[in-house]
Amino acid sequence: DIQMTQSPSSLSASVGDRVTITCRASQSISSYLNWYQQKPGKAPKLLIYAASSLQSGVPSRFSGSGSGTDFTLTISSLQPEDFATYYCQQSYSTHMYTFGQGTKLEIK
Amino acid sequence: EVQLVESGGVVVQPGGSLRLSCAASGFTFDDYAMHWVRQAPGKGLEWVSLISWDGGSTYYADSVKGRFTISRDNSKNSLYLQMNSLRAEDTALYYCASNYYDSSGYQVIEYFQHWGQGTLVTVSS
Repeated sequence: DIQMTQSPSSLSASVGDRVTITCRASQSISSYLNWYQQKPGKAPKLLIYAASSLQSGVPSRFSGSGSGTDFTLTISSLQPEDFATYYCQQSYSTHMYTFGQGTKLEIK
Repeated sequence: EVQLVESGGVVVQPGGSLRLSCAASGFTFDDYAMHWVRQAPGKGLEWVSLISWDGGSTYYADSVKGRFTISRDNSKNSLYLQMNSLRAEDTALYYCASNYYDSSGYQVIEYFQHWGQGTLVTVSS
């Protein structure tokens, strides 16, 4: 099975900060990597698909990059509504999907 | 507006059974494969199962294989998860989600597109 490891597990930042979250796959997954945002009590919401494509309606301050085993999600200037938990997810392994353990982004 | 509404979550004893349902509206249900994804209290997301658009193919995480069965009724726009031999570690919020799949480009695009709000299953004596 492909394991996904995110770092850090939690992060404190301030409004206006630039934030980067990393996701590493246990084997190469090309660009089959998606990012989701989850707020407390809510379902996850897709932000980025195929490593770097911004989902429609998602603010342009969110961006994704990477391929192979190493990926990043960057928020260029944190807004109050961005404080949430972020998950990466691989879709490379056919019919066996795995998520990272999550990164909780908190207000400093 | 796309809506996915899960139901059926309750408190059940270890070894018991439960059937979850997910009612879909606002999109052409039988055009989409569907997933169940779960989240244990305070924990991360875990994919559970996938069913093809016509119900002809099903897939499971190793943690539930042989105990859970996914099914769908396209005439009722509904998705189901039959859960048997339940264990404490199955305690979680269970989400249904639609599968977006596009193989028209140079790379297949696949992700969990629309999600319900979840139904809570608690396995406890």
